Amino acid sequence: DAGVIQSPRHEVTEMGQEVTLRCKPISGHNSLFWYRQTMMRGLELLIYFNNNVPIDDSGMPEDRFSAKMPNASFSTLKIQPSEPRDSAVYFCASNPTGDVTDTQYFGPGTRLTVL
Amino acid sequence: AQSVAQPEDQVNVAEGNPLTVKCTYSVSGNPYLFWYVQYPNRGLQFLLKYITGDNLVKGSYGFEAEFNKSQTSFHLKKPSALVSDSALYFCAVRNRGSTLGRLYFGRGTQLTVWP
Repeated sequence: DAGVIQSPRHEVTEMGQEVTLRCKPISGHNSLFWYRQTMMRGLELLIYFNNNVPIDDSGMPEDRFSAKMPNASFSTLKIQPSEPRDSAVYFCASNPTGDVTDTQYFGPGTRLTVL
Repeated sequence: AQSVAQPEDQVNVAEGNPLTVKCTYSVSGNPYLFWYVQYPNRGLQFLLKYITGDNLVKGSYGFEAEFNKSQTSFHLKKPSALVSDSALYFCAVRNRGSTLGRLYFGRGTQLTVWP
């Protein structure tokens, strides 16, 4: 199994540009999570999906952030327009079923730098 | 409400000595507890979890953790530390009320093992 796949691994962009981060969960997994990690705030949950449906997006910081999951094998996190304070590592993770005993599997992350 | 506290931002130990990384939790009902490790520039990797049964849980790389219900703790331990164990460690919790597998993470503890 390839694990959770994220692309790109690194992204450098200028303030005001649109940024799209991509995630492919582990095949067969039903739940998908987007996290953001910074030194100041630690690991924050942004949004999560179950069976492609957004369940809780209360962690999304602003309207500039949006996430979609058009099918079971693909999700995007978009920032438009980007700002320097969005610089962080963004992780995608997936669970097999959404059961409380599930192990959650993380991707390698996308390191975003907004200049 | 569910929460996790990792009271130490940093733990330093000498190679060959035992190590402990502390975690306390707050949930209503029975907890499901997890430890993850993050190496530099990598995603979080699952180490071990407590679901039910034996309070002492053994995981990857020689790590173990002990669930203590009366003290609401789930400390991570290893009898003999290695330099390669140096990493960021996260404790996480769910309970039966957790929606669709959402994990609640602590802020992380940076473990440094010096030669």
